[in-house]
Amino acid sequence: DTEVTQTPKHLVMGMTNKKSLKCEQHMGHRAMYWYKQKAKKPPELMFVYSYEKLSINESVPSRFSPECPNSSLLNLHLHALQPEDSALYLCASSQGGGLGTEAFFGQGTRLTVV
Amino acid sequence: AQKVTQAQTEISVVEKEDVTLDCVYETRDTTYYLFWYKQPPSGELVFLIRRNSFDEQNEISGRYSWNFQKSTSSFNFTITASQVVDSAVYFCALSEAGGTYKYIFGTGTRLKVLA
Repeated sequence: DTEVTQTPKHLVMGMTNKKSLKCEQHMGHRAMYWYKQKAKKPPELMFVYSYEKLSINESVPSRFSPECPNSSLLNLHLHALQPEDSALYLCASSQGGGLGTEAFFGQGTRLTVV
Repeated sequence: AQKVTQAQTEISVVEKEDVTLDCVYETRDTTYYLFWYKQPPSGELVFLIRRNSFDEQNEISGRYSWNFQKSTSSFNFTITASQVVDSAVYFCALSEAGGTYKYIFGTGTRLKVLA
């Protein structure tokens, strides 16, 4: 089963709201990622968790807060977002361990900040 | 620094035509991995292939084939007898080995297959 599940699929939030994006995988992968993708652009890496520890933060603003409760789950907490944060947020997972293995992506959450 | 270039922004072909998507990469590493992903309108990136830097064999999977040439730092993707369902954005990506987890994506090529 090569599936990464993201919820919700769509989210509209105001600039003062707090919301969370959720991601789940059951492939036993030990690396999990958040990517942000604007229209007609490639995915941009935001965060990487390796063995449930944050290993990469690509200088993401603090209004985005990642959390990895366990090896299967990854959350992205959102607070006080700006309209320019509207994008497709993609979660991915890979085996990890620096083996250069392929990442499997979820369908994404289309976020609109109003 | 690592970089992936997909010079073709958009390609339109008529169904049943063959089409090649170009990918040129830059890296100083001797061990690295190359990938192709497909992104249909639904948004999910679908993994198509992974190739490591020591394996220059070309690969064929059904209507899909890949040509990896280290001499020109290219990893091109050919779809034979294209179908409307092949319409999507295709991304080439590069990842280095050794404990990093970054996938460097090209800018993508939008393929439109017309019936």
